[in-house]
Amino acid sequence: GQNIDQPTEMTATEGAIVQINCTYQTSGFNGLFWYQQHAGEAPTFLSYNVLDGLEEKGRFSSFLSRSKGYSYLLLKELQMKDSASYLCAVGNYGQNFVFGPGTRLSVLP
Amino acid sequence: DTGVSQDPRHKITKRGQNVTFRCDPISEHNRLYWYRQTLGQGPEFLTYFQNEAQLEKSRLLSDRFSAERPKGSFSTLEIQRTEQGDSAMYLCASSRVGAYTGELFFGEGSRLTVL
Repeated sequence: GQNIDQPTEMTATEGAIVQINCTYQTSGFNGLFWYQQHAGEAPTFLSYNVLDGLEEKGRFSSFLSRSKGYSYLLLKELQMKDSASYLCAVGNYGQNFVFGPGTRLSVLP
Repeated sequence: DTGVSQDPRHKITKRGQNVTFRCDPISEHNRLYWYRQTLGQGPEFLTYFQNEAQLEKSRLLSDRFSAERPKGSFSTLEIQRTEQGDSAMYLCASSRVGAYTGELFFGEGSRLTVL
């Protein structure tokens, strides 16, 4: 089975940097995904890590350590529109994806 | 619009009634997933298909839930004898086998309220 843990809520200031952590226990996977979900909307794909290390994609970066069962999503130059829930998911691409509980991020002016 | 579409977007029903949701995936996607999401929680896996074959079904899913994808295109999710605990957002997602990441593309969801 898979057990995924994320902080429930985080607050940060516009223009700042925030790091959202995700820890997981799984019996094997091929990728770690991050999704963004605005209130009342569907999740949308942000990033994907299959190898250890940092993947950078504009203002968003994601890090994975498979040996530690740990990932984080780094958001830079925060904007008000970044207020959303951020979902960590583990999966073997093309098969089942298991989502964490999500972290609700509030960006304050 | 070539995204994932779901119908109906909202459904209110009385306890004990049956409901059916439909999902039309992105046309070239051969994998289709159903998830359930309640307020403040992440999506909970229900089942998924590759083409018309149902490859996995959550053990949390009771026998009241059934899903089909008869021609490998659209899918239906039926809930029989609904209970108040079934109230949730039902999300459909699709992906393409062979895509680099295989990420999921979600529809807007079908919100079910059981009175």
